[in-house]
Amino acid sequence: DTAVSQTPKYLVTQMGNDKSIKCEQNLGHDTMYWYKQDSKKFLKIMFSYNNKELIINETVPNRFSPKSPDKAHLNLHINSLELGDSAVYFCASSQEGATGEETQYFGPGTRLLVL
Amino acid sequence: GENVGLHLPTLSVQEGDNSIINCAYSNSASDYFIWYKQESGKGPQFIIDIRSNMDKRQGQRVTVLLNKTVKHLSLQIAATQPGDSAVYFCAEKYTSYGKLTFGQGTILTVHP
Repeated sequence: DTAVSQTPKYLVTQMGNDKSIKCEQNLGHDTMYWYKQDSKKFLKIMFSYNNKELIINETVPNRFSPKSPDKAHLNLHINSLELGDSAVYFCASSQEGATGEETQYFGPGTRLLVL
Repeated sequence: GENVGLHLPTLSVQEGDNSIINCAYSNSASDYFIWYKQESGKGPQFIIDIRSNMDKRQGQRVTVLLNKTVKHLSLQIAATQPGDSAVYFCAEKYTSYGKLTFGQGTILTVHP
C-alpha cells in the first residue's frame, strides 16, 4: 500500500500553461504539505493544510493555489507556468504527536519541466 | 536565493566503514530534529528523530547526536552499506510553530 501518492510522476509542459498535481494519503493524518525541491536539492516548504484549512503559506507566487477537498487529499494547481517553476514537487503528510513531534511522510515526487 | 552557487557537501566511504554526517541548524528555539534519507528519484524517507531534551538517540545502525550549545546535529551510520548511498537531510522544527525547516543535504557515496 502506498502511504502518500502523487500524480503525475512526470509533467512536461509549455510555458504559460496551467497544470495540476494531485496528492493523496491513506495514513489518516490531519496535516498535508507541498514542498519544492530545486536542482540543488534544496527542499523548501510551500504550503501546509490541517484538516482542510491552510495553516502555512510561505512566500509563494499566487499562481500556485493549493486545494484540499478533504483531509486525505491536497492538490496543487499552477497557473501560467514559468521556466523557474521547473523542479520536483513533493507532497507530505504528518500527524502531530502528544509532545509536538511530527514525522512527515513524503510522496514519490512530481518532476515538473517547463519548456 | 539561499543556495545559489552552493554545492552539496559530499562524503565518500568504503563499505563497512562508519559514516558521520553533520548538520548545523539555525534556530536555537528548535526543539525537534529529524534525519531524512533521499535516494535518487524518490522522496525523503524518515530515518530517526530526536527531541531537544535528549543528546543522543540510537536506532538500528544509526545514531543521532544533538549538541544544543553549538546548534549541531550529527548522524552516525555504522557498517555503511552500498544501499546507504543517498542524500541525507537534517530538519529542525520549533514545535509551537509547526514548520519543518530542512538543511542543505549531504551526498553519501558508499563504495563496495
